[in-house]
Amino acid sequence: DAGITQSPRHKVTETGTPVTLRCHQTENHRYMYWYRQDPGHGLRLIHYSYGVKDTDKGEVSDGYSVSRSKTEDFLLTLESATSSQTSVYFCAISAGRVDSYEQYFGPGTRLTVT
Amino acid sequence: GIQVEQSPPDLILQEGANSTLRCNFSDSVNNLQWFHQNPWGQLINLFYIPSGTKQNGRLSATTVATERYSLLYISSSQTTDSGVYFCAVEVYNAGNMLTFGGGTRLMVKP
Repeated sequence: DAGITQSPRHKVTETGTPVTLRCHQTENHRYMYWYRQDPGHGLRLIHYSYGVKDTDKGEVSDGYSVSRSKTEDFLLTLESATSSQTSVYFCAISAGRVDSYEQYFGPGTRLTVT
Repeated sequence: GIQVEQSPPDLILQEGANSTLRCNFSDSVNNLQWFHQNPWGQLINLFYIPSGTKQNGRLSATTVATERYSLLYISSSQTTDSGVYFCAVEVYNAGNMLTFGGGTRLMVKP
């Protein structure tokens, strides 16, 4: 257990509404990530953070924004949800050290946009 | 970007059988991990193995970085081994971003 929690675990929302997913870690790791998992596409990186207020885009960042105001929290926001954003969202962390690039994943959030 | 291919895509085994899963990647990597996604969706770390060989119980993994592939061995399979196995790699200077393969879906029958 890498001390990662995600909230909510399940959410159903309507097209056009804003949605924020939260990732919380208890082990003070530097790097945090948001991935989405879709059938036929595997897991793809949305955004990642390498420190407080330091974030960058991943492979599928369009339509998403992130914020990290504290080491322990990484928020993913869908400004105006669309049906194509129906997915399972996973948060991950890593120490980001030369001796420890290993990533650990949270339990996931299942989001349905109707 | 880097390409990660896993084979076979699907595998059905009888309990007790052995199997080998393969992961090929198209560029040099500084991180390679194997994960098991259980039927409840949880991604479980199996190995962090950018090179060399590791063993953990009935599972072992070998990465030959110079030839750009990794193998995951499952011996004496059990029904609890069922799920999807993912290989994920990170290329040098890529900000610790993992690129996942498409996975191998394993079903172990009693």
